[in-house]
Amino acid sequence: AQSVTQLGSHVSVSEGALVLLRCNYSSSVPPYLFWYVQYPNQGLQLLLKYTSAATLVKGINGFEAEFKKSETSFHLTKPSAHMSDAAEYFCAVMGAGGTSYGKLTFGQGTILTVHP
Amino acid sequence: DTAVSQTPKYLVTQMGNDKSIKCEQNLGHDTMYWYKQDSKKFLKIMFSYNNKELIINETVPNRFSPKSPDKAHLNLHINSLELGDSAVYFCASSLTGGADTQYFGPGTRLTVL
Repeated sequence: AQSVTQLGSHVSVSEGALVLLRCNYSSSVPPYLFWYVQYPNQGLQLLLKYTSAATLVKGINGFEAEFKKSETSFHLTKPSAHMSDAAEYFCAVMGAGGTSYGKLTFGQGTILTVHP
Repeated sequence: DTAVSQTPKYLVTQMGNDKSIKCEQNLGHDTMYWYKQDSKKFLKIMFSYNNKELIINETVPNRFSPKSPDKAHLNLHINSLELGDSAVYFCASSLTGGADTQYFGPGTRLTVL
């Protein structure tokens, strides 16, 4: 079984400030972890993914995330927010084996608002 | 060229009707998926096909039937629509499945009246 909890359904930051979106996961097998972004009325776009290589993963648009097994976390960060980062962000987990392999389980999403 | 396309973009229909949503990908991927996003934005996988073969079938009512005529297409047919079926349905594809990046379509917003 696998699940994802995103802490905070809404996060608001000023332009230029640090972005931190929190994600904790639960998985009975080693996980693969993903962050997706959804802009209004659009499909999801992959930001980055962790598939058991380097624990610090760099993605598109200046985002990065660090896999911390001891904390079962995969938080998403960006040093300096831009207005164009305003969107909804989804963390997802997939088991690296077993019945959950190939099956993404998403968190409930975090809406990021960036104000001037 | 759109990588993963869905038609229609919006679908409004009455309870009890039967409707279909079509999905096509031009990425040459082997695996395709259907997801349902409810009114609270919760996204859940419904089905996955690899080379026209069903490989993931979550707990979905029998009224939902996916059909894959070839590996570039995965259609979703819904019988006897209910109010609770109102949602946004996303199609996605990936190269071979597993941890490969999934590319999502723009979604189909289904409203059942």
